[in-house]
Amino acid sequence: DTGVSQDPRHKITKRGQNVTFRCDPISEHNRLYWYRQTLGQGPEFLTYFQNEAQLEKSRLLSDRFSAERPKGSFSTLEIQRTEQGDSAMYLCASRATGAGQTNEKLFFGSGTQLSVL
Amino acid sequence: AQKITQTQPGMFVQEKEAVTLDCTYDTSDQSYGLFWYKQPSSGEMIFLIYQGSYDEQNATEGRYSLNFQKARKSANLVISASQLGDSAMYFCAMSQTFKAAGNKLTFGGGTRVLVKP
Repeated sequence: DTGVSQDPRHKITKRGQNVTFRCDPISEHNRLYWYRQTLGQGPEFLTYFQNEAQLEKSRLLSDRFSAERPKGSFSTLEIQRTEQGDSAMYLCASRATGAGQTNEKLFFGSGTQLSVL
Repeated sequence: AQKITQTQPGMFVQEKEAVTLDCTYDTSDQSYGLFWYKQPSSGEMIFLIYQGSYDEQNATEGRYSLNFQKARKSANLVISASQLGDSAMYFCAMSQTFKAAGNKLTFGGGTRVLVKP
C-alpha cells in the first residue's frame, strides 16, 4: 500500500493557460474522487469515478474542467483557460467498495497546490 | 442536502491535556457516516475516526474518540493526552451511505488546533 500520490505538488501558471494534474490511487481501489480546497475552507467535492466511469460531477465543475480515468487506474484533472479563482488545493482520494469494507474511509493524497497569476 | 458546522475556528490546548472539537450536522437521511480527518501543514488529509449513524457505541481509535449524540445531531471529537504533533487543522465530514450517493464526503470548515508545550 503505497498510498494515493498526486503530481505535481505545486503548479504556478498564468491566467488563461491550461493545466493538468495527475492522481494515482491505491492500486486496488475502484473509486476515485477529486476535491478542491480553498484557503481556510474544507474540501469541496468535484467529481468521482467508479473504475473508468465518471458517475457524478458537482456544479462546481465548470465546462473548463474535465476529468478522466481512462483505464480505471490513474486519473487526470484538466483545467482549461485558468482563472485566478481556480487557485486552490486539488485533492484526490480513493477507496475500495464491495464486500468486506467495514467503513467508508477515503484515503487522500497530499494534493496539488495551484496558483494562477 | 447535507451540512456540517464547526463553530470553533481555532483553539489552543496544553500538551498532555484533552481537547474537544465540536461538530454539528444536518441531514434528512436516516443512514449516514461521520468522519474526522486531520490535515497537517503538509496538506494530506489523514483519517482519524468513523461513526456510522446506526452504531450504538461511540467510536474510539487510540487517543481519539467520537462523542456521537444522534438526537442533537452532534459528532464531537475528543483527543486525549494532546501531543505537539496534534497541531493541525481538523475537519468533520459526513457521507450518505446509500449506494447511489457515491459515498462522497461533505466537509465542515475546520478547526485549527495548536498544542502548546
